[in-house]
Amino acid sequence: GQQVMQIPQYQHVQEGEDFTTYCNSSTTLSNIQWYKQRPGGHPVFLIQLVKSGEVKKQKRLTFQFGEAKKNSSLHITATQTTDVGTYFCAGLPYSGGGADGLTFGKGTHLIIQP
Amino acid sequence: ETGVTQSPTHLIKTRGQQVTLRCSSQSGHNTVSWYQQALGQGPQFIFQYYREEENGRGNFPPRFSGLQFPNYSSELNVNALELDDSALYLCASSLDDQETQYFGPGTRLLVL
Repeated sequence: GQQVMQIPQYQHVQEGEDFTTYCNSSTTLSNIQWYKQRPGGHPVFLIQLVKSGEVKKQKRLTFQFGEAKKNSSLHITATQTTDVGTYFCAGLPYSGGGADGLTFGKGTHLIIQP
Repeated sequence: ETGVTQSPTHLIKTRGQQVTLRCSSQSGHNTVSWYQQALGQGPQFIFQYYREEENGRGNFPPRFSGLQFPNYSSELNVNALELDDSALYLCASSLDDQETQYFGPGTRLLVL
């Protein structure tokens, strides 16, 4: 079945440093979605990427979708303590549509030291 | 907030019991997906309901079953609970099965 690998599992940064998490799917994706989950909370939707090579920005966050629609990245510039949490990518497979559900990576836990 | 609500927020059961979890989707959304999130893991897809029909299923045994009602709210039922069923159960609603999924706050289930 489809697998989504996400690295790194943990990332410790000093406040103000940049952060990047990478996501790689075993199959071509229809789209990829990114979520943020705070400790004790639930996944909160950040963005959806659909087109090959797509790049989207939200303030300090930059999201990219690979040309082959199999990989993606999230980059945060100048991290702040409010960025703490676990960032998940979730891929929707190309065949089968939404009925296959989202396949989530294991997440990257971002820990920020003031 | 997403407008997706779930009940109860927390639940404690013992092995062998049965549990029903409930989800109200965001207004206008006709698709509900259920996920299980074990501690420290990403959510895993259980199944999806689209217009009251099961539209797809992940790798979960038949003792995990569900329903969707005409108002698009949904239930997840788990029979013969096992210790490994302890997890956060999330429902997510979307406009249809291809669109962005918005998650509810989840139900934390502990099986003793």
